Amino acid sequence: NAGVTQTPKFQVLKTGQSMTLQCAQDMNHEYMSWYRQDPGMGLRLIHYSVGAGITDQGEVPNGYNVSRSTTEDFPLRLLSAAPSQTSVYFCASNPRGPNTGELFFGEGSRLTVL
Amino acid sequence: AQRVTQPEKLLSVFKGAPVELKCNYSYSGSPELFWYVQYSRQRLQLLLRHISRESIKGFTADLNKGETSFHLKKPFAQEEDSAMYYCALSGMTTDSWGKLQFGAGTQVVVTP
Repeated sequence: NAGVTQTPKFQVLKTGQSMTLQCAQDMNHEYMSWYRQDPGMGLRLIHYSVGAGITDQGEVPNGYNVSRSTTEDFPLRLLSAAPSQTSVYFCASNPRGPNTGELFFGEGSRLTVL
Repeated sequence: AQRVTQPEKLLSVFKGAPVELKCNYSYSGSPELFWYVQYSRQRLQLLLRHISRESIKGFTADLNKGETSFHLKKPFAQEEDSAMYYCALSGMTTDSWGKLQFGAGTQVVVTP
């Protein structure tokens, strides 16, 4: 049981390049989300999904796209990277239901945009 | 709008001393409050939540609705408590599940 797996762990991009951060979970959790972690700002929600085929925007969605074709996978796409997207990205999952605020996090993906 | 404030960026304490991490929040409904911890080179993980009212690794936190606070306390800090701590908030409605509002975090350093 690997939990939440993110790839890659590190990535350097040039401004304007595109890439996809992969996230997979093997806990059969319905809910998945992406956060970015920046110094002095904590973690901010980018996008989330409450099930396959359903996604919605979080607090800072601009510049990012997501899709949820399966329960297991929730990739985050940067279509045209900008230096402001330099950050550490965390994918998380949690089961459906009340009082289930325990999020299970991946190890994080550190992205640098030059 | 919901907001979580952690006023201390860095908290340096000596081993064996008490430690208290402050967390204040604003939320229009009934929130669920959490403390998450990130040890060096480890994943972010849940430390405790107010609903369970339990003590984890010697840490406790009480939700004070009057003062809108959820401070984290430990009477005797240990070196292994050195980590980044995040206070987080979620609503209790269906559309809030899995959507947490995090504070900026407090780095705790415990020195021997």
